[in-house]
Amino acid sequence: NAGVMQNPRHLVRRRGQEARLRCSPMKGHSHVYWYRQLPEEGLKFMVYLQKENIIDESGMPKERFSAEFPKEGPSILRIQQVVRGDSAAYFCASSPTTGGSSGNTIYFGEGSWLTVV
Amino acid sequence: GQNIDQPTEMTATEGAIVQINCTYQTSGFNGLFWYQQHAGEAPTFLSYNVLDGLEEKGRFSSFLSRSKGYSYLLLKELQMKDSASYLCAVRDLQNQGGKLIFGQGTELSVKP
Repeated sequence: NAGVMQNPRHLVRRRGQEARLRCSPMKGHSHVYWYRQLPEEGLKFMVYLQKENIIDESGMPKERFSAEFPKEGPSILRIQQVVRGDSAAYFCASSPTTGGSSGNTIYFGEGSWLTVV
Repeated sequence: GQNIDQPTEMTATEGAIVQINCTYQTSGFNGLFWYQQHAGEAPTFLSYNVLDGLEEKGRFSSFLSRSKGYSYLLLKELQMKDSASYLCAVRDLQNQGGKLIFGQGTELSVKP
């Protein structure tokens, strides 16, 4: 029973390049959340998606950042024209579709560490 | 909006008990979560409270008072490996499913 899978685990990009981070939710989960964690800081919500639908993107920077969760395949967080300030850990989490006690459990992936040089 | 407060850091002794408090103010509430995070690793789910009272799970217990906007995580028989950051998070009811809003985390150091 695989957990939330993220790749790549570590990514180095030069300023101005694009970064693509992928997240496959746990089996049976159709809700995906992306969080960013800067060094020595807490987890900051970025975006919440369901299949083919962005539910809440209130935490996403207005420019350069986008996210999708297609009908088939993983969720992707895309950062265009990266800058040094984008260096952070990006965590994906997933939860099941239905409510109840199991529906209120959110599990995190191992994270993707982006370094912009 | 949401506001979640927890102490920045705490120190405790191996074998002792420590209580990490969390207070919150949120426009929508659908449960409170505690996670453990070791440096350089992912947050690991510890507990979930949606009703008032105490939830016990081995050495860890979590308490919730919705009327007071207050929760605590209790760690008993502390071990060195419990040194980590402990994250309090509240689930937001305003959106279907609900995102988690995290506090800054409490860095716990367990000393021999």
